[in-house]
Amino acid sequence: DSGVTQTPKHLITATGQRVTLRCSPRSGDLSVYWYQQSLDQGLQFLIQYYNGEERAKGNILERFSAQQFPDLHSELNLSSLELGDSALYFCASSPGTGVRANEKLFFGSGTQLSVL
Amino acid sequence: QQQVKQSPQSLIVQKGGISIINCAYENTAFDYFPWYQQFPGKGPALLIAIRPDVSEKKEGRFTISFNKSAKQFSLHIMDSQPGDSATYFCAASLTRSGSARQLTFGSGTQLTVLP
Repeated sequence: DSGVTQTPKHLITATGQRVTLRCSPRSGDLSVYWYQQSLDQGLQFLIQYYNGEERAKGNILERFSAQQFPDLHSELNLSSLELGDSALYFCASSPGTGVRANEKLFFGSGTQLSVL
Repeated sequence: QQQVKQSPQSLIVQKGGISIINCAYENTAFDYFPWYQQFPGKGPALLIAIRPDVSEKKEGRFTISFNKSAKQFSLHIMDSQPGDSATYFCAASLTRSGSARQLTFGSGTQLTVLP
């Protein structure tokens, strides 16, 4: 068990809808990362938050947004959903800013999103 | 230039055999190369990692070989066991503007070790 908790585990919704994925990082970790895993794109970095502030942005669509709350949990909001948004969404956490090369990322078990 | 190319896509090995997974990169700014192991229903977990100033790193049955001039690195799993059956991802990371680190993953290799 990595200590990173993601809810829900599965989410089924329709095109055009909006969903929120939730992540609780490991105790004491200040950074939260969101990744999307799909068959055609592999594991893609979406966004990182450190202690409530956006730290780095990757291949995140404008329809997607995220935030990290004062208690350090994070939410990923996906809106105007399309069939192609179906994927496994992972949250990861790390103790610091993630700048150090050997700072370890701990991944949750993911949220499987199915857009029908 | 941010890509990390991984092969093979799938690999079947007999118990006790050697599993070899290869990765190649283009961007010489990458300065850290981790490997992740992912079991079904779980998130990736760090397995072993290497810096480019080292040609080999060994941890138990897992070895990374690194060839800086060829911009290639590989994971060797010695004495492969059925419990090693998982998807393996190579990755490469670099700093972005000194304030964050970008981790780029390969496409993954599904390893099956037959009993």
